[in-house]
Amino acid sequence: QKEVEQNSGPLSVPEGAIASLNCTYSDRGSQSFFWYRQYSGKSPELIMSIYSNGDKEDGRFTAQLNKASQYVSLLIRDSQPSDSATYLCAVNMDFSNAGGTSYGKLTFGQGTILTVHP
Amino acid sequence: GAVVSQHPSWVICKSGTSVKIECRSLDFQATTMFWYRQFPKQSLMLMATSNEGSKATYEQGVEKDKFLINHASLTLSTLTVTSAHPEDSSFYICSARDSRSNQPQHFGDGTRLSIL
Repeated sequence: QKEVEQNSGPLSVPEGAIASLNCTYSDRGSQSFFWYRQYSGKSPELIMSIYSNGDKEDGRFTAQLNKASQYVSLLIRDSQPSDSATYLCAVNMDFSNAGGTSYGKLTFGQGTILTVHP
Repeated sequence: GAVVSQHPSWVICKSGTSVKIECRSLDFQATTMFWYRQFPKQSLMLMATSNEGSKATYEQGVEKDKFLINHASLTLSTLTVTSAHPEDSSFYICSARDSRSNQPQHFGDGTRLSIL
């Protein structure tokens, strides 16, 4: 079972519609969750972070977290063609190296390709 | 916001060449830096994690003698691909975070490596 799962899509929505992206994760102890947007040939760009259950809104983006269901989602309202990209769900998991240093490590889903058509 | 600078943005070189990629945090102290590799149409795969002043922790299947990582300061980490071969051609991306705060990782712009 993959640690972080996303529907790879592609997800196609018309301009102005709401795009809904979903992600599930396996580690119940995870505390930090992120959505990154990646345009083709570019590196990921952080668009949302969420740490507690419920909704978090930032402009046209809303992240939703349900730790009991191990589920995190991203809603994009009033979708624009410029939103067309791959959206990566990432879950932070804590690790310790051999030297005893603790750090968080992101595990990414495979990404959902979103296409917003005019 | 946090800025991570990665250099060079692209490299084309002959097989057998060693290539060094730099990753710098410009406005924060990066106690932890991460190196990822991404093949076309695939997600990011973590190669290794480096904490300032200590040896890097490599993911399973990543050869530490081939991918040398140095994190000598709180603002700079380097990845050296030694004796690169065509199968090492990929998009290499670094990220950095200040582990002392609950801040997310911020990514560099990536380095596209092509080995002929």
